[in-house]
Amino acid sequence: DTAVSQTPKYLVTQMGNDKSIKCEQNLGHDTMYWYKQDSKKFLKIMFSYNNKELIINETVPNRFSPKSPDKAHLNLHINSLELGDSAVYFCASSQDRGQDEQFFGPGTRLTVL
Amino acid sequence: AQKVTQAQTEISVVEKEDVTLDCVYETRDTTYYLFWYKQPPSGELVFLIRRNSFDEQNEISGRYSWNFQKSTSSFNFTITASQVVDSAVYFCALSEEHTGANSKLTFGKGITLSVRP
Repeated sequence: DTAVSQTPKYLVTQMGNDKSIKCEQNLGHDTMYWYKQDSKKFLKIMFSYNNKELIINETVPNRFSPKSPDKAHLNLHINSLELGDSAVYFCASSQDRGQDEQFFGPGTRLTVL
Repeated sequence: AQKVTQAQTEISVVEKEDVTLDCVYETRDTTYYLFWYKQPPSGELVFLIRRNSFDEQNEISGRYSWNFQKSTSSFNFTITASQVVDSAVYFCALSEEHTGANSKLTFGKGITLSVRP
């Protein structure tokens, strides 16, 4: 009965590769997010989608491309991976945009070698 | 612009001690929402509480309590009789109402709490 799930949990890859992280929520929420948590544990929003529409793009390099095929899924594709992309990526969802709590997935630890 | 400051970076206590985690926020809005999240060593982010700016009542949930003071722009979190399982990183976060469709959670840098047996 996982509310927000992400795959894979761990991702180890070489610089220059392209990779994707998938996220699904079964909470019936309208809004989904991607966050990046760096090595110092700092959490920063990258994107948010509401009903499949991109709402926030927080000055993320265009090597990162989110895709929302439906409102229960928000995938993150990363092209030409760089060392600095190594981080934990969290997907989250909420019923509404600002006032509701966000439910987070378990995170995907990306390591770029 | 919205900002959350968690000035304490690491706190270490002995089990059964009380501990308070501080959170100070900045916002232009009169309507906003404050949150606390817990990130245990296993890595997941767990929602603890949400408070809107019009509700200054303090909240208690078991050993956890929250003190919201608009006058000092603070939303502090106290754990009473701490336990080893409370060891985690705790994040305070803020969301503003006026940004509407662009509202987002801004997180503080987190406080690492270690509870020693």
